Amino acid sequence: QLQLVQSGGGVVQPGRSLRLSCAASGFTFRNHGMHWVRQAPGKGLEWVAVIWYDGSEKYYADSVKGRFTISRDNSKNTVDLQMNSLRVEDTAVYYCVRWGPDRAVDIWGRGTMVTVSP
Amino acid sequence: DVVMTQTPLSSPVIIGQPASISCRSRQSLVHSDGNTYLNWLQQRPGQPPRLLIYRISNRVSGVPERFSGSGAGTDFTLKISRVEVEDVGVYYCMQATQFPWTFGQGTRVEIK
Repeated sequence: QLQLVQSGGGVVQPGRSLRLSCAASGFTFRNHGMHWVRQAPGKGLEWVAVIWYDGSEKYYADSVKGRFTISRDNSKNTVDLQMNSLRVEDTAVYYCVRWGPDRAVDIWGRGTMVTVSP
Repeated sequence: DVVMTQTPLSSPVIIGQPASISCRSRQSLVHSDGNTYLNWLQQRPGQPPRLLIYRISNRVSGVPERFSGSGAGTDFTLKISRVEVEDVGVYYCMQATQFPWTFGQGTRVEIK
């Protein structure tokens, strides 16, 4: 069964850090790029970051560039999002997403809530 | 960034009637490889998004045939031929032609 299981998240004060993790199963993880997408409460979807299948390239949304770092461990089938200098506006559900064939975002984790509050 | 604009933002529909959602991009979504990477996603209440259609018109396995996608260049459409109760939710178009990948604002489909 194709699956992305997310962990991490929680409540944190502005300026602090948090790390999200996503464990993949049911497919050959090392063959796929991975994304993080977020959704603020009651709002739409915002793409956050991507990492190539082999980790060779990474791209970030301007809103998180310089603060967030995406990484992966193909030996453990995991992708992480290290979030530093968190802001109130980073409050959202964060989804781990597989980069499928034809640039389809075809598998989504269930999401993990990150709340940044004073 | 490629701005994606969906209309309408809300679509009250009678069960069994069709629904149509438009998605427009400010620039062409044709990639240098010749493909157009336009996805449609459905998000049911309380659920993560789910991919329905990729590359304009390719339905994901298991997605009902009543969902269809069409369009080219900058104008795209998602159609539901006969809306069912389970189709209630928010629908997003998303371009994957260039980074940052961007989403439309979402269209809420609800039962009238």
